[in-house]
Amino acid sequence: SQQGEEDPQALSIQEGENATMNCSYKTSINNLQWYRQNSGRGLVHLILIRSNEREKHSGRLRVTLDTSKKSSSLLITASRAADTASYFCAGTNFGNEKLTFGTGTRLTIIP
Amino acid sequence: DAGVTQSPTHLIKTRGQQVTLRCSPKSGHDTVSWYQQALGQGPQFIFQYYEEEERQRGNFPDRFSGHQFPNYSSELNVNALLLGDSALYLCASSSWNTEAFFGQGTRLTVV
Repeated sequence: SQQGEEDPQALSIQEGENATMNCSYKTSINNLQWYRQNSGRGLVHLILIRSNEREKHSGRLRVTLDTSKKSSSLLITASRAADTASYFCAGTNFGNEKLTFGTGTRLTIIP
Repeated sequence: DAGVTQSPTHLIKTRGQQVTLRCSPKSGHDTVSWYQQALGQGPQFIFQYYEEEERQRGNFPDRFSGHQFPNYSSELNVNALLLGDSALYLCASSSWNTEAFFGQGTRLTVV
């Protein structure tokens, strides 16, 4: 399966600092998606990166993808209190489009 | 565009009862997937519907069943509820090779 495993499991930083979290997966993928989840609520789609892309930006977010290492990273710059949430990654493949999630990275921004 | 909508938002049921959860996909999406998320865990794939048929299924018992209607909306049915079925149930909609967007979820409590 295109399992996403996030690392670290928990991360606490001061407001204004940058936060980096990593994701590894086991099999080949066609795209990888990152999501944010505030406590007890639905997942918010952050960014999709395709297997032929190495880096993608969206506002304060930067995602990289290394298909040779089967890994991805999510960088949040200039963190804000509102960024406090759990972050998940999940990859999909043509013909097998279910999302397989890890347990996520719990990010806490300290004001 | 209302995005993905789920109903109800919260539900309390008694062991042994049956429950039906509903999902309306984002406009333009034809695929609906259901996920179960226990507290502190990542979402787990239940099944996916496309063209009114179950296309993929995760490791869930037959007590979990679903349906997709011609307008692409979907239902998740769970029979003979167990305490362990208490979780956040998430619906995601997508089209081929696009981002998957999630609803806010239905919090099911089985007592």
